[in-house]
Amino acid sequence: QQQVKQSPQSLIVQKGGISIINCAYENTAFDYFPWYQQFPGKGPALLIAIRPDVSEKKEGRFTISFNKSAKQFSLHIMDSQPGDSATYFCAACRDLSGSARQLTFGSGTQLTVLP
Amino acid sequence: AAGVIQSPRHLIKEKRETATLKCYPIPRHDTVYWYQQGPGQDPQFLISFYEKMQSDKGSIPDRFSAQQFSDYHSELNMSSLELGDSALYFCASSLERGTYEQYFGPGTRLTVT
Repeated sequence: QQQVKQSPQSLIVQKGGISIINCAYENTAFDYFPWYQQFPGKGPALLIAIRPDVSEKKEGRFTISFNKSAKQFSLHIMDSQPGDSATYFCAACRDLSGSARQLTFGSGTQLTVLP
Repeated sequence: AAGVIQSPRHLIKEKRETATLKCYPIPRHDTVYWYQQGPGQDPQFLISFYEKMQSDKGSIPDRFSAQQFSDYHSELNMSSLELGDSALYFCASSLERGTYEQYFGPGTRLTVT
């Protein structure tokens, strides 16, 4: 059972448009929500992250919106560019009994930005 | 800036063979995570280490083992390989407990034939 549900599975956007990817979670123990960008054959790259005490975080063209009561968060990519074409994963993190923090990923969104 | 280094980048093994994957975390990072990513799948957590001690286990098969050494590099040992073990294996590192950011390496693509 996917603990972090991500939609849509794929997304096609025109250059200059806004890309929106949504995620939802159930486990209220999650306390950190990063987004990763992955190009084919490459490792996931940390894009932007948010903690539940903040409702929005913006870094350049990337914005995370967080709704704690609804247990949902989303990634908005403004002025989408062909170079943004990649797979985007939302993730959620919670403290473990030890020192490490396990990431639970969503199923990913394949974003294609048309020139 | 230094990144996570993984070796080898590609590995081809036959069924029932053994494979060893290596991970060198970002300097001063003391926590290492291993993830497995199948084709078209999201990364699945396998195991993590903090200060050379196993910290937590995820969906890691009993045929796999891992450890973190005194220089903080980590190795994932995989025995009795099966076709289903073919995947990308990622190592990630983070600075210390309470630091949330995990930085991923480029991955090792393991193909079992």
